[in-house]
Amino acid sequence: SQTIHQWPATLVQPVGSPLSLECTVEGTSNPNLYWYRQAAGRGLQLLFYSVGIGQISSEVPQNLSASRPQDRQFILSSKKLLLSDSGFYLCAWTWTAGEQAFFGQGTRLTVV
Amino acid sequence: GESVGLHLPTLSVQEGDNSIINCAYSNSASDYFIWYKQESGKGPQFIIDIRSNMDKRQGQRVTVLLNKTVKHLSLQIAATQPGDSAVYFCAENLKSSGSARQLTFGSGTQLTV
Repeated sequence: SQTIHQWPATLVQPVGSPLSLECTVEGTSNPNLYWYRQAAGRGLQLLFYSVGIGQISSEVPQNLSASRPQDRQFILSSKKLLLSDSGFYLCAWTWTAGEQAFFGQGTRLTVV
Repeated sequence: GESVGLHLPTLSVQEGDNSIINCAYSNSASDYFIWYKQESGKGPQFIIDIRSNMDKRQGQRVTVLLNKTVKHLSLQIAATQPGDSAVYFCAENLKSSGSARQLTFGSGTQLTV
């Protein structure tokens, strides 16, 4: 069966510090991978998606970047965090045909 | 731009009653819709889906209805239980310019039982 792992679960970082959130998927090959951000009481905003190694599409201009160094690994990064980067970050994957998304448990990021 | 939205941000029901959560979408090209349940501090979980060639689909205690004419879908939960309390999102699947398909989510409805 397929599983998705996302860590850490919570993170408190000072403004200006770097960020690295990691997501890995097990039990499938060549998944489409996604990073979403969810502000408190709001819906999910798609940040990045990837259809393959090294292929990243950005949905919104922002202070964040994403990378996919391996088929089932997706990393969300920032060189210098802003207060506005606080939120709940969710990694998700879909089959190559890309219909139903499966989500990780999320990372609660607080920038102080 | 295209969007998926929900009519009501909150819904309170009594235990045992039926719940109906509504969702409107604006892209008539969308052909696949999903309902997710998100409990506090957790990632969304799949509940039920429906394709655009269907009007109704039933699961365990849940039913999704799709009205393509008015671009509306709803989630019905029968005999609502306290464990059903969560935020419910509808999502539509849009075909992007590439091979990837992207889910567009509504803002969610908080169901309180």
